Amino acid sequence: AQSVTQPDIHITVSEGASLELRCNYSYGATPYLFWYVQSPGQGLQLLLKYFSGDTLVQGIKGFEAEFKRSQSSFNLRKPSVHWSDAAEYFCAVGAHQGAQKLVFGQGTRLTINP
Amino acid sequence: KAGVTQTPRYLIKTRGQQVTLSCSPISGHRSVSWYQQTPGQGLQFLFEYFSETQRNKGNFPGRFSGRQFSNSRSEMNVSTLELGDSALYLCASSLADYNEQFFGPGTRLTVL
Repeated sequence: AQSVTQPDIHITVSEGASLELRCNYSYGATPYLFWYVQSPGQGLQLLLKYFSGDTLVQGIKGFEAEFKRSQSSFNLRKPSVHWSDAAEYFCAVGAHQGAQKLVFGQGTRLTINP
Repeated sequence: KAGVTQTPRYLIKTRGQQVTLSCSPISGHRSVSWYQQTPGQGLQFLFEYFSETQRNKGNFPGRFSGRQFSNSRSEMNVSTLELGDSALYLCASSLADYNEQFFGPGTRLTVL
């Protein structure tokens, strides 16, 4: 069965510092991988996706993620965080027809110190 | 293009009642998926509909059901509500297979 692990429940970084959120997945076939962000009381916004091709993918808001098949990882990075990046971040793997059933990690809550 | 819309945004029910939530996908999107989000269990897949047919179903009891109409709008129904059904219910739509899902703002259901 597919599964996603986000080892860090809560991360605090200072504004302007770099950020890396970890994600490990378990999936037998070629994974379809996603990062979503959720602000309090809101739905999920897609940051970026990996379907195939270049393993370094660029997303919105200055985020990028790198797919490493050998490590079953899809870590999210941002070189310099802004206070508005404070939110909860979810990594997900798509199953069934590529992406029509998402299995999510437990999420990482990001706090930004001024 | 308008995003995914969900109605109502907030709902309060009592145990034993039933509830119907509605989702309108992005125009042209034919796949609609539903997810339940709770603090304890996180985000869990409920079911997915495509062209009025349920294609995938998660591990939820039969009290949870859904349907999709010919215009791709979808509804989900929860019967005999339990306290544990209190959650944020998220709907997502996608254009086709192998495409990303776009989420609505969710319906916050509170069961008293």
